[in-house]
Amino acid sequence: DTAVSQTPKYLVTQMGNDKSIKCEQNLGHDTMYWYKQDSKKFLKIMFSYNNKELIINETVPNRFSPKSPDKAHLNLHINSLELGDSAVYFCASSQVGTYNEQFFGPGTRLTVL
Amino acid sequence: AQSVTQPDIHITVSEGASLELRCNYSYGATPYLFWYVQSPGQGLQLLLKYFSGDTLVQGIKGFEAEFKRSQSSFNLRKPSVHWSDAAEYFCAVGGRGNTPLVFGKGTRLSVIA
Repeated sequence: DTAVSQTPKYLVTQMGNDKSIKCEQNLGHDTMYWYKQDSKKFLKIMFSYNNKELIINETVPNRFSPKSPDKAHLNLHINSLELGDSAVYFCASSQVGTYNEQFFGPGTRLTVL
Repeated sequence: AQSVTQPDIHITVSEGASLELRCNYSYGATPYLFWYVQSPGQGLQLLLKYFSGDTLVQGIKGFEAEFKRSQSSFNLRKPSVHWSDAAEYFCAVGGRGNTPLVFGKGTRLSVIA
């Protein structure tokens, strides 16, 4: 059973397009996150949601819009894609009260041409 | 400010040799510390974690790490490296509740015969 899943695994698109990445967790966690890993492998938080509510937005351009339809899902929609958006995007989840142990999805490699 | 420093960008060890990967952190509250491993093209797998108590923690795949509060360090060790350990290793720090993790820039481990 996959704990945190993401679709698609790979996404290749043209500049200016709009795309979405989906994330689902079946761990029953109440908090979900999006992290971005750049070409130098540096991982940085983008957003976090707790019980469907946005709690952290780390100065990400407003072209990025996360949406959490329920506790188990956190999707990331990106408008007007730019070359610099090329990266690997990781979804993660955790449960408050469990020492912040975060479980990561397999990642989505986004390539903007 | 919260930060994690992994001073070694790339380490090469011989198979069967011992390994130590360094990690120093800066965190304003009680830190929760983690080591993750990322194999090429893969997601992040949790190796081990420290929350409190015994400062020497055991993880999966024969890894261990020692928390030293006085040195703000959480170094990862393995007594005998296997070729399959070649990967990118990330140290991360987080806090209570659902705070995002702050990652170091990673150390790439190469294993030679």
